[in-house]
Amino acid sequence: NAGVTQTPKFQVLKTGQSMTLQCAQDMNHEYMSWYRQDPGMGLRLIHYSVGAGITDQGEVPNGYNVSRSTTEDFPLRLLSAAPSQTSVYFCASRPPGQGPGELFFGEGSRLTVL
Amino acid sequence: SQQGEEDPQALSIQEGENATMNCSYKTSINNLQWYRQNSGRGLVHLILIRSNEREKHSGRLRVTLDTSKKSSSLLITASRAADTASYFCATVHTQGAQKLVFGQGTRLTINP
Repeated sequence: NAGVTQTPKFQVLKTGQSMTLQCAQDMNHEYMSWYRQDPGMGLRLIHYSVGAGITDQGEVPNGYNVSRSTTEDFPLRLLSAAPSQTSVYFCASRPPGQGPGELFFGEGSRLTVL
Repeated sequence: SQQGEEDPQALSIQEGENATMNCSYKTSINNLQWYRQNSGRGLVHLILIRSNEREKHSGRLRVTLDTSKKSSSLLITASRAADTASYFCATVHTQGAQKLVFGQGTRLTINP
């Protein structure tokens, strides 16, 4: 199993550009989520999904879109990038049937918006 | 915000010493989890303690939970250089149980 795979690992955007951060997991996890990590602020939840076709907002959803068409994939779309979205983004998933338990994280995607 | 607080923000100790990190939170929880993050890497789950548990052990890790004080501590005994990392507590609250809320982390440095 590859676990949780995020691409790209690094990306530089100009203000106003759009892009998609990809997240895939091969563990048949129903729950998937996106966090952003900023210095001194820990990790903040952007969006999450409890299964295919179901998504919900986290703490900081503005400026981001998600969809969940398959169990394996949970892409995060930046519609019009802003410098405030410069951050490290982490995708995480959780096994089914275990309630709110352990999250498995990807290695992160570092995004810089100029 | 439900985000908890951790202290200290940074801790530097000698190899072999014990390291203690604390986490406080604001509203009632289902469980509390601790994660480790090595520099430039993703987070790795260390241990989970449920709201009806008071103490849990895993190898050199000991976690305590005091729900009356809304606080938890992580103790790493006999520290090693490889324990150098950032440590985060994360809480699952009874309201919003699908969300894991992270603290700001403690940066631990083990000096050889």
